[in-house]
Amino acid sequence: DQQVKQNSPSLSVQEGRISILNCDYTNSMFDYFLWYKKYPAEGPTFLISISSIKDKNEDGRFTVFLNKSAKHLSLHIVPSQPGDSAVYFCAASTNAGNNRKLIWGLGTSLAVNP
Amino acid sequence: DAGVTQSPTHLIKTRGQHVTLRCSPISGHKSVSWYQQVLGQGPQFIFQYYEKEERGRGNFPDRFSARQFPNYSSELNVNALLLGDSALYLCASSPYAQSHEQYFGPGTRLTVT
Repeated sequence: DQQVKQNSPSLSVQEGRISILNCDYTNSMFDYFLWYKKYPAEGPTFLISISSIKDKNEDGRFTVFLNKSAKHLSLHIVPSQPGDSAVYFCAASTNAGNNRKLIWGLGTSLAVNP
Repeated sequence: DAGVTQSPTHLIKTRGQHVTLRCSPISGHKSVSWYQQVLGQGPQFIFQYYEKEERGRGNFPDRFSARQFPNYSSELNVNALLLGDSALYLCASSPYAQSHEQYFGPGTRLTVT
């Protein structure tokens, strides 16, 4: 049962244009959401996060939008650069009592073409 | 500042053997979590440790165990290895057990033959 869903396995974008990566979740108890970027043979790198009490968080070229009623979040990258080519994971943080764990989507592979 | 470090980088084991993976968290971080990532999937939570105590356990069999040392480094042990244990094992550190952001090491690629 996939609680965090990234329905697009891959996305191809032209350099300079906007990349939009989408994520849906099913558990309304998730209270924090994170995006990670992963290159082959490396661990995930934290990109940006958003609390469930907010609807937008911006950091440079990266903006995350959260629509709680739709249980949907998206990551916007603008302008996209070839170095952004990687797999992007959406993760939801859940308070499991006295600890926190991350529930992950399957990832979206982004290719930014020069 | 050094990030999360993991050793070894790669490991090849035979079915039935056991393996120990090691992780050193970011300096000042007291919480370590372990995740398993199978090819084509997102990471799956295995354990979280904080101040040397287990704080959370994912849906993994008892063949998986871990511990955390006084310097906050951690070991993940897997006994009686199965082919299906082949995966990338990721360690993440965070300042506290309830910290939202977790910072990952490069992982250990385990291959079971």
